[in-house]
Amino acid sequence: ETGVTQSPTHLIKTRGQQVTLRCSSQSGHNTVSWYQQALGQGPQFIFQYYREEENGRGNFPPRFSGLQFPNYSSELNVNALELDDSALYLCASSLVDNYGYTFGSGTRLTVV
Amino acid sequence: QKEVEQNSGPLSVPEGAIASLNCTYSDRVSQSFFWYRQYSGKSPELIMSIYSNGDKEDGRFTAQLNKASQYVSLLIRDSQPSDSATYLCAVGSGNTGKLIFGQGTTLQVKP
Repeated sequence: ETGVTQSPTHLIKTRGQQVTLRCSSQSGHNTVSWYQQALGQGPQFIFQYYREEENGRGNFPPRFSGLQFPNYSSELNVNALELDDSALYLCASSLVDNYGYTFGSGTRLTVV
Repeated sequence: QKEVEQNSGPLSVPEGAIASLNCTYSDRVSQSFFWYRQYSGKSPELIMSIYSNGDKEDGRFTAQLNKASQYVSLLIRDSQPSDSATYLCAVGSGNTGKLIFGQGTTLQVKP
């Protein structure tokens, strides 16, 4: 059983809307990353948070934003949703960088 | 050129055979390498990590790393139908903790 939980598991939104995805990391995991996985592709790095500050960002526009909270939970916010944002969004946490992340079960977002 | 490349497959092997999955990467300074298994509709699960040249064995799995050739592989011995999944190669990027994934290789183990 993974120690990383994500909610909701599935979500349908309309183009132009905003969405917030949530992640609860394992206790003490001070690093959390978010990935987007389109169908048939590997996960793509969106950004990483370390001790509540953004610590690296992938090639995603500013309408993708995030937060990390002191209790190690985090959020991914996406504004002005586009059809291409339809994907599986994965949260991953770790105690130490580069030691392999534990992924949550993901949120399947469908934009119509 | 993609940063991490894998053959998308599918790779089909009979039950009990050795499955060999390959991955190449472009960033010569990469220091950490991972193999994840992803069942259809599920999230990736870490199965192996490797940081030094050579082989690393864990049960039926062996990861092989050759930094000079920028090549990582995963061998699965005595393949079982339950090993049928997509295998993702991931490379750590610098000190950011960012993982760069390949597109994955689909493995089919036939009874």
